[in-house]
Amino acid sequence: DAGVIQSPRHEVTEMGQEVTLRCKPISGHDYLFWYRQTMMRGLELLIYFNNNVPIDDSGMPEDRFSAKMPNASFSTLKIQPSEPRDSAVYFCASSLLPNTEAFFGQGTRLTVV
Amino acid sequence: QQQVKQSPQSLIVQKGGISIINCAYENTAFDYFPWYQQFPGKGPALLIAIRPDVSEKKEGRFTISFNKSAKQFSLHIMDSQPGDSATYFCAASMGTPPTDKLIFGTGTRLQVFP
Repeated sequence: DAGVIQSPRHEVTEMGQEVTLRCKPISGHDYLFWYRQTMMRGLELLIYFNNNVPIDDSGMPEDRFSAKMPNASFSTLKIQPSEPRDSAVYFCASSLLPNTEAFFGQGTRLTVV
Repeated sequence: QQQVKQSPQSLIVQKGGISIINCAYENTAFDYFPWYQQFPGKGPALLIAIRPDVSEKKEGRFTISFNKSAKQFSLHIMDSQPGDSATYFCAASMGTPPTDKLIFGTGTRLQVFP
């Protein structure tokens, strides 16, 4: 397996634009996590899914953020409208079972100017 | 109660030395304690993990020490090498939803000099 695949690797966008980040989890993994990493706040969990169903979205900063998982092999994280303070590295991770190893993608570095 | 506190923020060690990173938690329901290693430009990757039924786990040069009564766990890197230079994150989670998610510490940047 190629591991967790995220796209794009880098995204530069202007404030106010819509941004969509994409993730393909490892085949067979039932859990999918979206994390945001910044120097100030470290690794924050935004939302996670179990069997395509959102379980906990309490980490989503505000209504501008939304995440979907239409099927077991694809998830998106959307920011609309984007703001400069959303600039961060966004990671997607997946795991086979809860409370076990989570495999991270390479991340998407988002810069909002 | 959901927090995991990690220290130090950064660590400089000479090659061959021992690197020690500490984490503390409050929630006694946590039952999975992994350490992740992250190189620049990469995602975190699992290094070693422990569950509370043992007090120590060793894999090669990496050891987790776990103190359940003190609610602390630590990562020891023996014979530290320049290739170990990375950011290390401790984490904790519970087995029941919606808390079966990893809560990460703030990270420790380790630099090993030759």
